[in-house]
Amino acid sequence: EAQVTQNPRYLITVTGKKLTVTCSQNMNHEYMSWYRQDPGLGLRQIYYSMNVEVTDKGDVPEGYKVSRKEKRNFPLILESPSPNQTSLYFCASSLAGGLSYEQYFGPGTRLTVT
Amino acid sequence: SQQGEEDPQALSIQEGENATMNCSYKTSINNLQWYRQNSGRGLVHLILIRSNEREKHSGRLRVTLDTSKKSSSLLITASRAADTASYFCATDQQTGANNLFFGTGTRLTVIP
Repeated sequence: EAQVTQNPRYLITVTGKKLTVTCSQNMNHEYMSWYRQDPGLGLRQIYYSMNVEVTDKGDVPEGYKVSRKEKRNFPLILESPSPNQTSLYFCASSLAGGLSYEQYFGPGTRLTVT
Repeated sequence: SQQGEEDPQALSIQEGENATMNCSYKTSINNLQWYRQNSGRGLVHLILIRSNEREKHSGRLRVTLDTSKKSSSLLITASRAADTASYFCATDQQTGANNLFFGTGTRLTVIP
């Protein structure tokens, strides 16, 4: 089954404790991206990747890191999480960049930073 | 920022009625897509419309695009209770960047 998986689904952590949210897709997609969703602000793109070893900033990259060492995986790293990073996070993938193809979304990761 | 805005923020209708949601954006685009999100879950793609298209249909969905007004509308005809969800538009930017921008969403409630 074609899908995007994220782990963990729920995470409660404390300020400053490094964490990684994993994202994996099984569709051989080139383009992957991370979004955060906050009430009243919709989805905002954090980082995206056009292919292996190619990453670039989205609209709200501050406080986040990503890597793309393999085509299927695109982890999101919070080196020193802060309470303002409490949010619902989504990973997505598509065949290629831009909006020429549909985005496939993961189920989301709800992160709480205390 | 390109981020779009949907209008209205919330919409409540009776089953069988039509629902219309609007999306406005700021800069020229190549493509626009509409997505649906059930509460707290991942977004699901509904329809893609390209900047050189004015209207597209998919089942009970009809999307229009007016690039001169930088706006798009999503019409759901003969709504069903199962259509209850949030709906988002997504845009790219004609300048060639691969950043994607989502609107703030319209929360649709269809009352049985």
